[in-house]
Amino acid sequence: EAEVAQSPRYKITEKSQAVAFWCDPISGHATLYWYRQILGQGPELLVQFQDESVVDDSQLPKDRFSAERLKGVDSTLKIQPAELGDSAMYLCASSLDVQRGYGYTFGSGTRLTVV
Amino acid sequence: SQKIEQNSEALNIQEGKTATLTCNYTNYSPAYLQWYRQDPGRGPVFLLLIRENEKEKRKERLKVTFDTTLKQSLFHITASQPADSATYLCALSGANNLFFGTGTRLTVIP
Repeated sequence: EAEVAQSPRYKITEKSQAVAFWCDPISGHATLYWYRQILGQGPELLVQFQDESVVDDSQLPKDRFSAERLKGVDSTLKIQPAELGDSAMYLCASSLDVQRGYGYTFGSGTRLTVV
Repeated sequence: SQKIEQNSEALNIQEGKTATLTCNYTNYSPAYLQWYRQDPGRGPVFLLLIRENEKEKRKERLKVTFDTTLKQSLFHITASQPADSATYLCALSGANNLFFGTGTRLTVIP
């Protein structure tokens, strides 16, 4: 069964350092999402791509977060500088067609700890 | 803005019983609603989708209902098993994406 690949699985970084996460969605899925999930809460959308274009980044803290999806395939989410409050699980998901109700396929996530 | 509430942070039931989880929402009229399962340290896994014009949807031991008048969805697991223990998230459709609830942690006791 096709999977969404994410790396690294775990990341510990010091505050003020830069950190990057990578995601490779399911082949053929045009829509890619980055979500952040704080322990005990539901996932919250950070950014959504349709192919290589950003559809929604209204909740992305643009002063420190950036995301790109060059060539409309894999994607990178970057945080610079990292803050203590950024400690969370960062989830990548892809979908075939959300308007038609297809479910999201999530990766296993990257657990970020900022110390 | 839309608000999604999943009652009960945690629900414990005996093996073999039916688990019923509730998802309520306000300030919103979603076109469809989805349910996901999430195990500790893993990403959510899609289970079921129900559209606004559907009252009920079933898949094996799972059943979802959707009442747009009450703004509520119920998620049932019949003949529950310890392997069903996980956090269950409801998610409502937005214009282009999903909004997730905080989840209910289900524990099935042998």
